Amino acid sequence: RKEVEQDPGPFNVPEGATVAFNCTYSNSASQSFFWYRQDCRKEPKLLMSVYSSGNEDGRFTAQLNRASQYISLLIRDSKLSDSATYLCVVYGGATNKLIFGTGTLLAVQP
Amino acid sequence: DADVTQTPRNRITKTGKRIMLECSQTKGHDRMYWYRQDPGLGLRLIYYSFDVKDINKGEISDGYSVSRQAQAKFSLSLESAIPNQTALYFCATSDLGTGLDEQYFGPGTRLTVT
Repeated sequence: RKEVEQDPGPFNVPEGATVAFNCTYSNSASQSFFWYRQDCRKEPKLLMSVYSSGNEDGRFTAQLNRASQYISLLIRDSKLSDSATYLCVVYGGATNKLIFGTGTLLAVQP
Repeated sequence: DADVTQTPRNRITKTGKRIMLECSQTKGHDRMYWYRQDPGLGLRLIYYSFDVKDINKGEISDGYSVSRQAQAKFSLSLESAIPNQTALYFCATSDLGTGLDEQYFGPGTRLTVT
């Protein structure tokens, strides 16, 4: 079983739609959680950290469920510019390093 | 100017050749990392360094070596390149002081081994 698992997609949604991605992690000792965004052939960039209480940044909402060991990202009012691959990232536990999921591809259609 | 730079950006080399990928950062971060990215496999850690005198193997270090020449420079070498080392390579940095381990990535080096 992979340490971090994501649905690879692609998620094809129209502009203005709401879309949600989930991610599961296997190590219950993991300490920190993040969503990174990666545009095609570009470097990953931090989108947002994920806190136990949930957090929101504009149209983006991230939630963490430690009991079920999953993380979610909700994007409201999708824009064409949201088209990218979204990477779920987990830090901590025995490895003490970032573990990256393989990413979920989002394509927002006009 | 970019905070994390990588050279070269693209490289085609032949099997058996030695190649070095270089990474420089102006962020003043202590920690530096080398990853490779392959389709369907995500980012995998090759080596990481928490300061100039600290070098650690990641999950896929075989066939690679690194050198941390200064706080700002971390280079990755392929002593004898093989085709399955064809991948997109990223350097990243993070700041020990923040405790959040947010990583900042360079633009990547696309390496092709023929």
